[in-house]
Amino acid sequence: AQTVTQSQPEMSVQEAETVTLSCTYDTSESDYYLFWYKQPPSRQMILVIRQEAYKQQNATENRFSVNFQKAAKSFSLKISDSQLGDAAMYFCAYRAWGAQKLVFGQGTRLTINP
Amino acid sequence: ETGVTQTPRHLVMGMTNKKSLKCEQHLGHNAMYWYKQSAKKPLELMFVYSLEERVENNSVPSRFSPECPNSSHLFLHLHTLQPEDSALYLCASSQDRGTGNTGELFFGEGSRLTVL
Repeated sequence: AQTVTQSQPEMSVQEAETVTLSCTYDTSESDYYLFWYKQPPSRQMILVIRQEAYKQQNATENRFSVNFQKAAKSFSLKISDSQLGDAAMYFCAYRAWGAQKLVFGQGTRLTINP
Repeated sequence: ETGVTQTPRHLVMGMTNKKSLKCEQHLGHNAMYWYKQSAKKPLELMFVYSLEERVENNSVPSRFSPECPNSSHLFLHLHTLQPEDSALYLCASSQDRGTGNTGELFFGEGSRLTVL
């Protein structure tokens, strides 16, 4: 069964600094998607960034980028120039190609210190 | 309205009550999902509907009964719940086949359920 592990229950960073959130996953599939979702106190899960496993290039969305290491089954999220609005729960998620199920990690609570 | 909307946002019910959660998606997607989010636990997939047919049921107790009358609407009917069923229930949708299949799910804001 596929599993997703986020080993950091909580992280904090100073505003304008850079922070990296860790995620590892376990799968026997070769084709899959990986995602980082953000859940602010308003509760709505919002997609931050998406990576397709067949792409070697790491995905980037403005201040958010990932370090995708397929062999190591690692998918970390780097947030540059942290802003107060980045404070939220961050969930790493995995979905096998063609599968219905999106498997989530336990989440990392990110606090931004002004 | 755009995106995925869920009603009610908050629900308090007794163990003998019957209530329903409603989800509506305005994205033209062909798959809809119910997830349960409890404190200190990963999100748990409950049900998946693809093209209005239930394709996944993750050993959910029968006191939770889903209904998908069309590709835009999804319900979760609740009856004789237990206090441990108190949680945030998230609805999501996705485009599972053909053009627009990016693999991601689009979520609603959730329904916070408290069972007394």
